[in-house]
Order: sequence, then C-alpha cells, then structure tokens
Amino acid sequence: AQSVTQPDIHITVSEGASLELRCNYSYGATPYLFWYVQSPGQGLQLLLKYFSGDTLVQGIKGFEAEFKRSQSSFNLRKPSVHWSDAAEYFCAVGASDDYKLSFGAGTTVTVRA
Amino acid sequence: KAGVTQTPRYLIKTRGQQVTLSCSPISGHRSVSWYQQTPGQGLQFLFEYFSETQRNKGNFPGRFSGRQFSNSRSEMNVSTLELGDSALYLCASRDSAWTFFGQGTRLTVV
Repeated sequence: AQSVTQPDIHITVSEGASLELRCNYSYGATPYLFWYVQSPGQGLQLLLKYFSGDTLVQGIKGFEAEFKRSQSSFNLRKPSVHWSDAAEYFCAVGASDDYKLSFGAGTTVTVRA
Repeated sequence: KAGVTQTPRYLIKTRGQQVTLSCSPISGHRSVSWYQQTPGQGLQFLFEYFSETQRNKGNFPGRFSGRQFSNSRSEMNVSTLELGDSALYLCASRDSAWTFFGQGTRLTVV
C-alpha cells in the first residue's frame, strides 16, 4: 500500500529565508509524486509533480523538489519565502495505473515578517 | 481551459438528509476522483470514475456514492447524513498524470 509521511506539522520561517518541507513515501514501484498547496478555505493547487526523468523538478511560484529514490523522499524547497507562501502544503503519491492519490497529513507554513 | 468546477461551494444540511455535490472536470479529462478532507482524518480518497465507470473506491460506507455522466461531469451523493460527514469535499480531474483539484464544497451537517 502506498503512504506518505510529512514529519513536520508546522514550520515557521522568516520572510526572505529559505524553506524546505520534508516528504517521505512508501510505494512498491516507481511513484508519481506531487506537491500541492492549500490556502484556508480553498482547494488544492498543484505546485509540481515528478513522474520520471530528471530528479530535480521545477514548479510554480519558485518552488522545486528533488526526488531521491534511495531515501524515498521528495522534499520541497524554496530559496526565498514570501509572505504569500503562508499556507498548508501536502505531498501526495500515486501511480501510473491507479489514479488514487495518497496524501500526507500536511505541513502548515507560517511566514513571519 | 477552465479549471475544475465544483458546485455548490457551501452547503448546510440537517442530520438524516441526503446531499448531492457536483463536479465538472477540465475539458478533455475523463477521470474524476472525489476526496474528503477533515481536520482529524486529513485527505481521504472516496472513489474514482473513468468513462462513467467506477474504477476505484476508498474505505467509506455505502452511504457515499457517485456517478459520472457521458460528458465526464460527476456527482457524489451522501445519504442519511451524519454529523461526522461535515467536511470539505474535493473533486479532482486527471489527464495522464496531471491531477488538478477544484475549490471544493464545504458541507456542514447540523
């Protein structure tokens, strides 16, 4: 069974500082990996995805993520955080032949001035 | 292309009633999935439809059902509502590996 762990429930970061959100997955085959962001009361916005190929993927809003098969990780990074990045971030795993996504519990990011 | 559209955005229902939520996927997407999001359980998969057929189902009671129409629009229905069904219900539209979500329907059961 596929599963996702986001070890950090809440992260506080200063505006302009770098951000890294951790994601570990469990999946038997090559996974499809996603990062989504959710603002309060809103749906999920896709930040980036990994299917295959280059293990460093670029997304929207200046985010990037690196797939490390040996560590079963797909960590999300941003070099310089803006106040508008305050939100909840979800990592998800899926498969090519199974459209069900399994989500982590989410990491809430607070940005302080 | 227009995004995933869910209607209504907000609903308040009384325990014991039933409710129907609607989702219009991105044009050309044939797969629609539904998820329930609650503070306690997080995001949980309900079911997925592809070309009007249910292909996958999560671990929810039979009170939760869905269907998909020939134009790929989907509805989910919850019968005999319970207080615990209060949640944000999210619809996802998928094409190949790209999965996009709607804004959700906030259901409150009182």
